[in-house]
Order: sequence, then C-alpha cells, then structure tokens
Amino acid sequence: AQKVTQAQTEISVVEKEDVTLDCVYETRDTTYYLFWYKQPPSGELVFLIRRNSFDEQNEISGRYSWNFQKSTSSFNFTITASQVVDSAVYFCALSSYRAGTALIFGKGTTLSVSS
Amino acid sequence: EAQVTQNPRYLITVTGKKLTVTCSQNMNHEYMSWYRQDPGLGLRQIYYSMNVEVTDKGDVPEGYKVSRKEKRNFPLILESPSPNQTSLYFCASSKQGVGEKLFFGSGTQLSVL
Repeated sequence: AQKVTQAQTEISVVEKEDVTLDCVYETRDTTYYLFWYKQPPSGELVFLIRRNSFDEQNEISGRYSWNFQKSTSSFNFTITASQVVDSAVYFCALSSYRAGTALIFGKGTTLSVSS
Repeated sequence: EAQVTQNPRYLITVTGKKLTVTCSQNMNHEYMSWYRQDPGLGLRQIYYSMNVEVTDKGDVPEGYKVSRKEKRNFPLILESPSPNQTSLYFCASSKQGVGEKLFFGSGTQLSVL
C-alpha cells in the first residue's frame, strides 16, 4: 500500500521557535518521490521541495530544511526561527509507479505561528 | 507566466444542476489531474489524464466526468451535483506524471445546496 502519514494535525508555536513537521511514508517501490507543499490561508498549493528515493542528502533552503531517512521511511520538514507568514497547512506527498500517476497526500499539518 | 487556470473560483449551486469547472494550462504539459480537498481527508485524486483523449479514474471518481480533447484543457463535469460534492477542487498539471512536480490551479470552492 502507498500511504503518507502526518501524525501532527495541528501545531502552534510562537515566532522565532523552531518547528519540525513529521512525515512517514509507506511504499514497496524502490524508486519513489517525496514532496512537500504549503497551503497558506489564501488556499493555493505552493510547491516546496521534491526528493527522489536515491538522494538521501538533507536539503536546506533559507529557514527551511528537510531530513530524508529511508531507514525510518521519514521525510521531516523543519522551519527554523518561524515567522507568522509560515502559518499554513503543510502537506507531505508521495509519488511512485506502484501508486500510478496519483500524488498521494498526507492529511496535512496545520501550523499556527503567533507573534 | 506559466500557470494553471481554473474557473470559477467560487460556485454555489443546487442539487442536480449540471455544472462544469474549467481548467487550462499553458505549459504544454502532458499530464493533468483533478483533486478534491476535504477537512481531515487531505487531497484525493478524482480523475487524471496522461495525454489527449486518455483519461482514467483516480480514488474518488463517482459523480464526476472529465474530458481531454485538447492538451491544454481538462474540464471537470458534475452532471447531477449532490451535497456530498461540496468541496475545494484543484486542477493540476505536470510534464508527464509520476515523480514530477505538480503545478496547481488556485482552486474552486464548490457548495452544493
């Protein structure tokens, strides 16, 4: 079965705190792709990152970083020094040939950053 | 500007009245798809199309139709909408499908009364 689990439904932090959003995936494919998307209050879906299963290097982009660990089937997302503008719903997603052409989404984590 | 355009942004209708949500992309993408987003359920795929004249069901196709007569357009048709189709709908496209970044439209909030 292809599945993405985001166990944290809602997270609330105060500005400047670091926060990690967890993502655990299931797939039997050896080749697969993982994504994170952001959905701000305005509703659009914003692409953040794509990672293939052969690239386990962590990635950093400004205040954002991603930790991909195949051993634990996790692809966690950390925001350093969070800001109010980071308030959004964050989705982790999986794409693989066994799943067909669907991008399989987790149910999302709602992050609220207060000032 | 590369984009996926879907219309309308908001739509209120009544049970049984046929409606169409349009979707168009200007990136010459082969792959297009429709998702619906519901609270607590995340995004679920309704239909997808790998190419012109090729469409297939996603996870939740009941009550929906699609067509792909041109590469750029992929309309979603609800022939007899029901209240359980009240949802936020997203159209998306990518170059070829699996493993590709999906570009999403800005969404259509549909309410069926």
